[in-house]
Amino acid sequence: GDSVTQMEGPVTLSEEAFLTINCTYTATGYPSLFWYVQYPGEGLQLLLKATKADDKGSNKGFEATYRKETTSFHLEKGSVQVSDSAVYFCALTSGAGSYQLTFGKGTKLSVIP
Amino acid sequence: EADIYQTPRYLVIGTGKKITLECSQTMGHDKMYWYQQDPGMELHLIHYSYGVNSTEKGDLSSESTVSRIRTEHFPLTLESARPSHTSQYLCASSLPGQGARNEQFFGPGTRLTVL
Repeated sequence: GDSVTQMEGPVTLSEEAFLTINCTYTATGYPSLFWYVQYPGEGLQLLLKATKADDKGSNKGFEATYRKETTSFHLEKGSVQVSDSAVYFCALTSGAGSYQLTFGKGTKLSVIP
Repeated sequence: EADIYQTPRYLVIGTGKKITLECSQTMGHDKMYWYQQDPGMELHLIHYSYGVNSTEKGDLSSESTVSRIRTEHFPLTLESARPSHTSQYLCASSLPGQGARNEQFFGPGTRLTVL
């Protein structure tokens, strides 16, 4: 079945540091890939997505590239801010007739001034 | 901004009480979902629906039940709450279709505490 593996947290960075959160996947067919973010006390929000190999999703300074050869979708940001402190979830939906999202376990990011 | 609402946001109740968590969306989405989120943050799908009168159990077994009488409304009910039901419950909806159209829109969640 489909699965998503993301790096375990928590991750603590200083403001303006470079961020990478690793995400790899196993899926049937040609999945679409997503990063969601959950700020404290809130639900999940879509951060970015990519629907085919070599697509790059980007939003709010975050980027992730769909790498089919390494089955990866790593999240990066060049300079994090305190306001980026949140939990980040990698997710996929398989194109093989699935109507559901498969989520990773989440990575908690704390950015300190 | 997604238009999906959950009430109440916070609920503290005693053991044995019957509760209903409300979820409504105004986007006309056919598909709706309930997730339980444990303190370790992991999300577990407990119920989903493909449309009116459709309900299915998710990956995690749950003592809760759901109904889908109207497209916009997907309430979750616990007949007799127990401390083990203490958790965050997240409702979501998505467009019909596959692939990127499975992007899910989430409500703000209900944090349930059963004493």
